Amino acid sequence: RKEVEQDPGPFNVPEGATVAFNCTYSNSASQSFFWYRQDCRKEPKLLMSVYSSGNEDGRFTAQLNRASQYISLLIRDSKLSDSATYLCVVNSYNQGGKLIFGQGTELSVKP
Amino acid sequence: DTGVSQDPRHKITKRGQNVTFRCDPISEHNRLYWYRQTLGQGPEFLTYFQNEAQLEKSRLLSDRFSAERPKGSFSTLEIQRTEQGDSAMYLCASSIDRGRDEKLFFGSGTQLSVL
Repeated sequence: RKEVEQDPGPFNVPEGATVAFNCTYSNSASQSFFWYRQDCRKEPKLLMSVYSSGNEDGRFTAQLNRASQYISLLIRDSKLSDSATYLCVVNSYNQGGKLIFGQGTELSVKP
Repeated sequence: DTGVSQDPRHKITKRGQNVTFRCDPISEHNRLYWYRQTLGQGPEFLTYFQNEAQLEKSRLLSDRFSAERPKGSFSTLEIQRTEQGDSAMYLCASSIDRGRDEKLFFGSGTQLSVL
């Protein structure tokens, strides 16, 4: 089993749609969680951290469920510019603290 | 430019040759990571450093791969006797170890093609 697994993509949605991505992680001792965004042929960039209480940044909402070991990202009112690959990232301190990426979920927002 | 810098951007080599990549992290960052990414996959962890100490090397990495960060600043990743399966984007990232709030900043990567 992979340490971090994401919904297989791609997701093709119309502008204005709401879309949700899920990610599961295998190490129950994981401490930190993030969503990164990667545009085509570009490097990944931090989108947002994920906190236990859930957090929101504009149209983006991240949730963490420690009991079920999954993380979600909700994008409301999708824009064309949201088209990218979304990467789930987990940090496990009992494994030395390295950051592990999921395989990514591709989102394509159409007019 | 104070971001993470990688050199070269592209490298084409013949199978069996050795290649070396360089990464210059953000100056105040004490952690430096190397990842490998192939098309349609997320970045795969290779190794990372805290200052000059190499903390971990992925089990997936063969003995042909070696990385150094001699003075805790820039890092090099060397691949010996390259194989076609080594073709990938090699990404370097740096961070400040702030515990749970660690955030990675990536360079633009080195695209390796092994012919």
